[in-house]
Amino acid sequence: DAKTTQPTSMDCAEGRAANLPCNHSTISGNEYVYWYRQIHSQGPQYIIHGLKNNETNEMASLIITEDRKSSTLILPHATLRDTAVYYCIVQSGSARQLTFGSGTQLTVLP
Amino acid sequence: DAGVIQSPRHEVTEMGQEVTLRCKPISGHNSLFWYRQTMMRGLELLIYFNNNVPIDDSGMPEDRFSAKMPNASFSTLKIQPSEPRDSAVYFCASSLLSQANYGYTFGSGTRLTVV
Repeated sequence: DAKTTQPTSMDCAEGRAANLPCNHSTISGNEYVYWYRQIHSQGPQYIIHGLKNNETNEMASLIITEDRKSSTLILPHATLRDTAVYYCIVQSGSARQLTFGSGTQLTVLP
Repeated sequence: DAGVIQSPRHEVTEMGQEVTLRCKPISGHNSLFWYRQTMMRGLELLIYFNNNVPIDDSGMPEDRFSAKMPNASFSTLKIQPSEPRDSAVYFCASSLLSQANYGYTFGSGTRLTVV
C-alpha cells in the first residue's frame, strides 16, 4: 500500500533546476512529507521535510500544494553530484520508522 | 561528529556461518534503525530501537536474525546461520526523535555476501 507515487526516472541538465514530483493523494492531516536521496553505494541522505508550508534549506526547496496531495522537491542548480535516487516518503509525525518506496532516479547530464 | 559508523564495510562469508554487523549511532541520538537493501525489495526496515529498547522487530525476516543494543552507543545485527539469500547491503541509521521531526542519519552500510 504505497503512500506515494513518483516517476521512475528523470533527467536534468547540469546547472538547471531539477523539479521532482511526488503524489500523495491519501495523505492524512498529521503526516509529514520527507525527502531523502541515495547516491550510488552510499546510505540514504536526509534532504528536507514539511507538513503543509513550503520549506527551504541549503540543499533544496519543498513545495507542497494547498490540498497537500502532491509536492515537488526543487534542486535549484543541479550538479553532476546530485545524480541519485530520490525518495518521497509520507509518514506520521508520531511514527518512528520511515518506509521507503522505489524513488525517482535523477540523472544530471553534463 | 563522525556520523553513524558501521563495520565492517564488506563481509564475505560462507553459508552457515555466523555474521555480526556493528553500528555506532550518533552521540545523543535516541533511536536506531536497521535497514536492508536489495535490488528486488529495495530498502526494508528490519528493526528499530528507542532508548536502547527494541520497539518493532516485525521486519526481521526470521529467527536467524537477531539485533541487540546493549547501550546508547552500540548495536549489533547478527545472522546465524547465514544463507545466500541474506546477501544485501545492511544500513544502520540513527535519529533524535522528540516532538519535532528530525531527519535520520544513515551509515555507509555493510555489504554482505554469503556464498
